[in-house]
Amino acid sequence: DAGITQSPRYKITETGRQVTLMCHQTWSHSYMFWYRQDLGHGLRLIYYSAAADITDKGEVPDGYVVSRSKTENFPLTLESATRSQTSVYFCASSDQAGLIYEQYFGPGTRLTVT
Amino acid sequence: DQQVKQNSPSLSVQEGRISILNCDYTNSMFDYFLWYKKYPAEGPTFLISISSIKDKNEDGRFTVFLNKSAKHLSLHIVPSQPGDSAVYFCAASARRYGGSQGNLIFGKGTKLSVKP
Repeated sequence: DAGITQSPRYKITETGRQVTLMCHQTWSHSYMFWYRQDLGHGLRLIYYSAAADITDKGEVPDGYVVSRSKTENFPLTLESATRSQTSVYFCASSDQAGLIYEQYFGPGTRLTVT
Repeated sequence: DQQVKQNSPSLSVQEGRISILNCDYTNSMFDYFLWYKKYPAEGPTFLISISSIKDKNEDGRFTVFLNKSAKHLSLHIVPSQPGDSAVYFCAASARRYGGSQGNLIFGKGTKLSVKP
């Protein structure tokens, strides 16, 4: 299917566990992003990537790790999950070439850390 | 320190009337602004954008106004429809500076309810 997909859509994990959220896009967009959405905070950028093998921190990167070995995939790993990482996570992609600047979001992953 | 502020957490409007959603920003480097719409259990979807060289952009029922001197933008929806009920996020970027400055900064969102 064309577009941007996230898996899993729902995840419950325990404190201290490692968990990886997957993101896949079929547009060959150069930029990809991870956000978290929390009540009272809106959307906050965790990490972003301008191209394969190029990643950089966003506003709230602590406790997260990303990689981007292929243009179409951008997994987000919580190395040792904490309750404060309970959130809805959105992946997004963007071409950002010329006038194209909109980001296209996936459906989200709701993560609960118990 | 919030750079993009949506001071109204919620707004209720009657069907057929105008909805006006407001957004204020503090960073004078922002030169590109976007509105996103989000339904429950879905990702945000792009709605409309405006560059700082313009003061108005229109797309069907949706119009965004930008007042650079006041660092304020608004989204007008006319006429409002029940299907417009969603959370609306304002976002801003300092696009011309590139790098991390080009990343989007989002407001907290305004929940719009359009009543039949």
